[in-house]
Amino acid sequence: NAGVTQTPKFQVLKTGQSMTLQCAQDMNHEYMSWYRQDPGMGLRLIHYSVGAGITDQGEVPNGYNVSRSTTEDFPLRLLSAAPSQTSVYFCASSRGLAGGPQETQYFGPGTRLLVL
Amino acid sequence: RKEVEQDPGPFNVPEGATVAFNCTYSNSASQSFFWYRQDCRKEPKLLMSVYSSGNEDGRFTAQLNRASQYISLLIRDSKLSDSATYLCVVNPSRYSTLTFGKGTMLLVSP
Repeated sequence: NAGVTQTPKFQVLKTGQSMTLQCAQDMNHEYMSWYRQDPGMGLRLIHYSVGAGITDQGEVPNGYNVSRSTTEDFPLRLLSAAPSQTSVYFCASSRGLAGGPQETQYFGPGTRLLVL
Repeated sequence: RKEVEQDPGPFNVPEGATVAFNCTYSNSASQSFFWYRQDCRKEPKLLMSVYSSGNEDGRFTAQLNRASQYISLLIRDSKLSDSATYLCVVNPSRYSTLTFGKGTMLLVSP
């Protein structure tokens, strides 16, 4: 199993550009999520999904869109990049939301995004 | 009060030392608790879950104090490879998403 994969690893954007961060998992996990990690802020949840076709907002959803058309994939779209979106983005998956080991989150290696 | 609070450190300890971190949480109804480890410029990985009765995994011991709303992580016989940031993670309720603390940095020196 590859686990959780993310592409690209690094990206530089200009303000106003759009892009999609890709995330895929091969563990048949129902739950997937996107976090951003900034110095001094810790991990903050952007959007999450509890299954194909179902998404919901996290703590910091503004400026981001998601969709979940398959169990495996959960792309994150930046509609119009802003310097405030410079961050490290992690995708994660788990078997479920609730209950002990089901909550173990498996993280991808991250995407480092710089918006100029 | 923030949902999950940790001392950011860094905790500087020599090899072989014992070190302990605490983490406080604000929601008394929180269901489950975890410690994750994050190496520099890497993704977080689960270190261990924290059970009500306390649990141990080799050199690592985790404890939960519901009355005072904190969890702790004790590392015995520290190794250089233990240098990392340790994230306290709480599930506020059965059907909610996980809440991550900002992490405590540990630096183990020779």
